[in-house]
Amino acid sequence: AQTVTQSQPEMSVQEAETVTLSCTYDTSESDYYLFWYKQPPSRQMILVIRQEAYKQQNATENRFSVNFQKAAKSFSLKISDSQLGDAAMYFCAYRPRGGTSYGKLTFGQGTILTVHP
Amino acid sequence: DAGITQSPRHKVTETGTPVTLRCHQTENHRYMYWYRQDPGHGLRLIHYSYGVKDTDKGEVSDGYSVSRSKTEDFLLTLESATSSQTSVYFCAIRPGDRETYGYTFGSGTRLTVV
Repeated sequence: AQTVTQSQPEMSVQEAETVTLSCTYDTSESDYYLFWYKQPPSRQMILVIRQEAYKQQNATENRFSVNFQKAAKSFSLKISDSQLGDAAMYFCAYRPRGGTSYGKLTFGQGTILTVHP
Repeated sequence: DAGITQSPRHKVTETGTPVTLRCHQTENHRYMYWYRQDPGHGLRLIHYSYGVKDTDKGEVSDGYSVSRSKTEDFLLTLESATSSQTSVYFCAIRPGDRETYGYTFGSGTRLTVV
């Protein structure tokens, strides 16, 4: 079974600084997708960024970027120029591509990010 | 989010009573999922559906059942609620057949079993 581990229950960062959230996963699949979701206090789940495992290039979305290390099964999220609105719970998620997975997502435990003004 | 609604948003119920949570989508997507969120566990899959009357268990399905008689509705039932089922429940849909898309989540239902 696939597992996703976020080893940092809480992280904090100063406004305008950079922070990196860690995620590791375990799978025997070779083709899959990885996601980072943001959950603010409103409880809404917001997709931040996604990465296809077959792509070597790391995904970026404005101030958000990932460091995808397939051999190490590591998928960290870097937030640059942190803003107060970035404060939230962040979840790393995995799902295999195709096959009989039915698109089921496996989530990590989450990391609470605090942004200090 | 547009296209998916969960009801109720909050519910308090007594131990031993049945509870049904509803997920409704307006976009005719095939795949729907129920997750529960608990501190230290992230989101865990309870049940999922891949079509009308096609459902299967996730990793934490004990004590839960689901039904999908129409494409747009996916119901989660706690047959006899227990305190361990106090949680926040999320429904999700997988948009279309483009596999690289993320998922759309409902706003969640906070269920308290007393």
